[in-house]
Parts: sequence; structure tokens; C-alpha cells
Amino acid sequence: EPEVTQTPSHQVTQMGQEVILRCVPISNHLYFYWYRQILGQKVEFLVSFYNNEISEKSEIFDDQFSVERPDGSNFTLKIRSTKLEDSAMYFCASSEVPLAGGSYNEQFFGPGTRLTVL
Amino acid sequence: AQTVTQSQPEMSVQEAETVTLSCTYDTSESDYYLFWYKQPPSRQMILVIRQEAYKQQNATENRFSVNFQKAAKSFSLKISDSQLGDAAMYFCAYSLYNFNKFYFGSGTKLNVKP
Repeated sequence: EPEVTQTPSHQVTQMGQEVILRCVPISNHLYFYWYRQILGQKVEFLVSFYNNEISEKSEIFDDQFSVERPDGSNFTLKIRSTKLEDSAMYFCASSEVPLAGGSYNEQFFGPGTRLTVL
Repeated sequence: AQTVTQSQPEMSVQEAETVTLSCTYDTSESDYYLFWYKQPPSRQMILVIRQEAYKQQNATENRFSVNFQKAAKSFSLKISDSQLGDAAMYFCAYSLYNFNKFYFGSGTKLNVKP
């Protein structure tokens, strides 16, 4: 069964460093998402991406964050200058294109990358 | 603003018994989806069940069913005949029809005792 994969599973970085979190969505999916979950808190939406551009982003997704689909298979989240408060679990998800009229296409989630900022 | 609240951080159930996980949400929209996701330890989140807000009938998937009370903005998950494999973190989530953005609750950790 196809699944979303994420690498690395755990990333440790120093404050101020840049990190890139990688995701490989399911191959026929065209809609991509990043979420994060700070330990003990809610899963929070960061950004959705379709047709090579951001569809929607949350207030968390500031200029320090960027997303890219560099090669048609990977979907990356870059944090330019990490802060302590960026420590969290980051989840990638993908879905087929949502259909018109509100029909639902399921989101499939990856296992997450645990980011620790020291 | 849309919010999703799960008031039970952790629950326990005996194997073969029934357990209900609570979820409330806040929205001013009339058309939306509600979901329950399961996250086993160190595994992906997987969809358990979904409910379209315009449907009055409660969704059911095998041993999993929901009690959707639209006026009360309540969406609880009932797990019947609990199994050891049901032990996981359960997240309630909400999405508008455009699916651009999902809102999740903070999760309920379900323990299943043999």
C-alpha cells in the first residue's frame, strides 16, 4: 500500500541553523500539507500546496518558513533560522486533488520528523 | 475562528468493552467535514472515520461509530468491542469543504487493558 514517507525521523540542530525536512508524498497525489505538533499540544496546520504554489498558510508560517517541490517527487519544508520554539513533530500529508462540490479525498499522513532545536 | 477541543487527554478501556472519546468544535460555517484520526505509537496517523456536516445520519465503520450533534457542535467517537490494537492517540479534526486547512484537537491517548 502506498504511503507518505518523511526523512529524517529525528533532526537535531543548533538555534539559528537552517533545516530542511523532506517528504515523499504518494505518487499520484497533487495536494500537499505540512503540520506541526509541539509536545503536548495540538496538531497545527502550517501550509497547503497545490500546483506549485501555496494554497493557504497559517499565521505560524512566517518568512522563516518555505516549501518547495524541487523534483516532482519530494516536498520539502525549510526553516531558515531555527528558534527554540520550532522544536516539534512535523507531519507531511498528501491527498488527491479535492473534488468539486465538497467530495472528499482522504489525506494520508507521514510518520513525522521530530525536530529538536538546541 | 475554528477550534477543536478534546477534553480527555487520556482514557483507558478494558478489552472487549466500549469507550467513547469526546470532541467539541467551534465554527460559524454550515458545511464542513469532521474526522477522527488514529496514531499508533511511532506510526502514521490514519483516518478512522469521517462525517459530512450536512448528513444527519451518524457515520459508522465496523466497530467505530460517531455521535454527531451539529447544534451542540459535538462529535464523539465510540469504539465497541475494544481490541489491544486500538491503543493509540486519537485526534479529532475539522475541515471546510475546500480541504485547504485542517484543524486538529490536542488528542486523546487511549489505553486498552487486557
